[in-house]
Amino acid sequence: AQSVAQPEDQVNVAEGNPLTVKCTYSVSGNPYLFWYVQYPNRGLQFLLKYITGDNLVKGSYGFEAEFNKSQTSFHLKKPSALVSDSALYFCACLWMNRDDKIIFGKGTRLHILP
Amino acid sequence: DSGVTQTPKHLITATGQRVTLRCSPRSGDLSVYWYQQSLDQGLQFLIQYYNGEERAKGNILERFSAQQFPDLHSELNLSSLELGDSALYFCASKEDPGGGELFFGEGSRLTVL
Repeated sequence: AQSVAQPEDQVNVAEGNPLTVKCTYSVSGNPYLFWYVQYPNRGLQFLLKYITGDNLVKGSYGFEAEFNKSQTSFHLKKPSALVSDSALYFCACLWMNRDDKIIFGKGTRLHILP
Repeated sequence: DSGVTQTPKHLITATGQRVTLRCSPRSGDLSVYWYQQSLDQGLQFLIQYYNGEERAKGNILERFSAQQFPDLHSELNLSSLELGDSALYFCASKEDPGGGELFFGEGSRLTVL
């Protein structure tokens, strides 16, 4: 079955340090991959996506993500964390078939410590 | 502002009641997705519509139903409400054809007492 896994419920990083939020997926075929961010009491906001091409994609607010086909992973990264990056992050997959179903991981809460 | 509008923002009701949540997608977007977000369940896919027709179904209970109207707005109907239905309900729209990203509304927070 198609699934998206975010193995960490929470990630704590000191301000200024690099951060990584992990995501793996289980699919058949070539999915589109996305990261979204959710601030308290707000809807999800699109950060970045991978469709094809360069395995390193850049997105909003200095975030980037690395696609690894052999490991079926799409980890979110940022070289230097800011306190304002503290939020809930979701990884998602879109399977471009007849259904166009979009499945989300359970989310990872990122805490940036000042 | 994502361009997706959801009403009401907050709703408090009693068990056994029925409510309707409304979503207006971004101008021109034909696809509408509904998700339920509760504290311990993450973001659960409920149902998807494309240009008025149901396209995909997720973990949507039989007590729940939805539809997309000719003007592309969508409604999610929740009936025989239970305490466990308390959650944030999000609507999102997607451009077709497009890059695949979803644009989310701010959500409707349902509290069942």
